[in-house]
Amino acid sequence: EIVMTQSPGILSVSPGERVTLSCRASESISTNLAWYQQKPGQAPRPLIYGASTRATDIPARFSGSGSGTEFTLTINSLQSEDFAVYYCQHYTNWPPAWTFGQGTKVEI
Amino acid sequence: QVLLVQSGTEVKKPGASVKVSCKTSGYTFEGYFIHWVRQTPAQGLEWMGWINPNSGATNYPQTFQGRVTLTRDTSINTAYMELRSLSYDDTAVYYCVRDPRAGDYGDYWGQGTLVTVSS
Repeated sequence: EIVMTQSPGILSVSPGERVTLSCRASESISTNLAWYQQKPGQAPRPLIYGASTRATDIPARFSGSGSGTEFTLTINSLQSEDFAVYYCQHYTNWPPAWTFGQGTKVEI
Repeated sequence: QVLLVQSGTEVKKPGASVKVSCKTSGYTFEGYFIHWVRQTPAQGLEWMGWINPNSGATNYPQTFQGRVTLTRDTSINTAYMELRSLSYDDTAVYYCVRDPRAGDYGDYWGQGTLVTVSS
């Protein structure tokens, strides 16, 4: 079973800063990786899929990179609405299966 | 627009079962797999399996095999998740999620259903 590990667990930042979140897979997963943003009381919202493709209506300040075992989500010029928990997710093509990281909380 | 609307909060006793519904609209129900994911403070986000609404085929991870059943009713564009033999550890928010390409990420999520297991 592939394990997804996110770091750090908590990131304390200020608005306007650039933020880099990491996600590591226990073995190579090519680019089968997605990132989600979750705010309190809401469902996760997809940000990135295929490791680097922005989902529908996601602002350009969000970008994803990486392949194999190391992945990064970058948020340029952090806005107040970006304070949330971010999850990475590995998905397999067939049969479909999902594995999530434990999340990174981005706080003020 | 694409919507997945789930049934409301449930409170169940240990050993009972719960069935959560996910009514979809805004797209062709049979054309997209539906996954179920639950979220707890202890375990985070856990994948519970998927159903192909067209064929009814399902797949479950070992963690939930034998305890969860996913079904669908194509006449009302609704998917269901039934979890049996509930324990306190099953207290969680349960989500249905659409998979845009059968083996991809989740592009649309339901609003979540809180299931509380309490004596």
